[in-house]
Amino acid sequence: NIVLTQSPATLSVTPGESVSLSCRASQSISTSIHWYQQKSNESPRLLIKYASQSISGIPSRFSGSGSGTDFTLSINRVESEDFSIYYCQQSYSSLFTFGSGTKLEIK
Amino acid sequence: EVQLVESGGGLVQPGRSLKLSCVASGFTFSNYGMNWIRQAPGKGLEWVAYISSGSSYIYYAETVKGRFTISRDNAKNTLYLQMTSLRSEDTALYYCARGNYGSPFDYWGQGVMVTVSS
Repeated sequence: NIVLTQSPATLSVTPGESVSLSCRASQSISTSIHWYQQKSNESPRLLIKYASQSISGIPSRFSGSGSGTDFTLSINRVESEDFSIYYCQQSYSSLFTFGSGTKLEIK
Repeated sequence: EVQLVESGGGLVQPGRSLKLSCVASGFTFSNYGMNWIRQAPGKGLEWVAYISSGSSYIYYAETVKGRFTISRDNAKNTLYLQMTSLRSEDTALYYCARGNYGSPFDYWGQGVMVTVSS
């Protein structure tokens, strides 16, 4: 199985700051990584697909980068509605896996 | 508007069975692969199973292989998950999500709770 390691587990920031969340794969997965946001008591929402491709309806402050084993989700100027948990997920192998998540919390 | 509505959850004793359903609307169901993903209380997301649009390709997570069966009825726009030999560690919110093989999960249902306890 491909293991995805997300860091940090928790990130405390002030609204208006810009942040980067990391996702590292246990083997090269090209750009087969996707990012999701899950707010409390809600279903996950797709934010970024294939490492860097934007999704219709998602604010432009969210962006993704990376290939191979190292990936980053960036949020430019965090807003109050962004405080939630973020997961990465790989679709490179037939055993799809998620990272353990990064919780973005208000400092 | 794409909608996925799960049902069939509840409280079940260890070792018993349960069948979940997910009714899809707002898109051509027969054109898309579908998935079940679960989330234990207070935990992260775990992919459970995938079925291709025509049911030719099916994959399972190792944790459920041999106990769970994913299936679909394209005439009824419905996805299923038959769960047998349930264990306490299967307790989770179960989501159905649209996504072809190799693609992201672009739409999710609201989830249905399964609790395995005596």
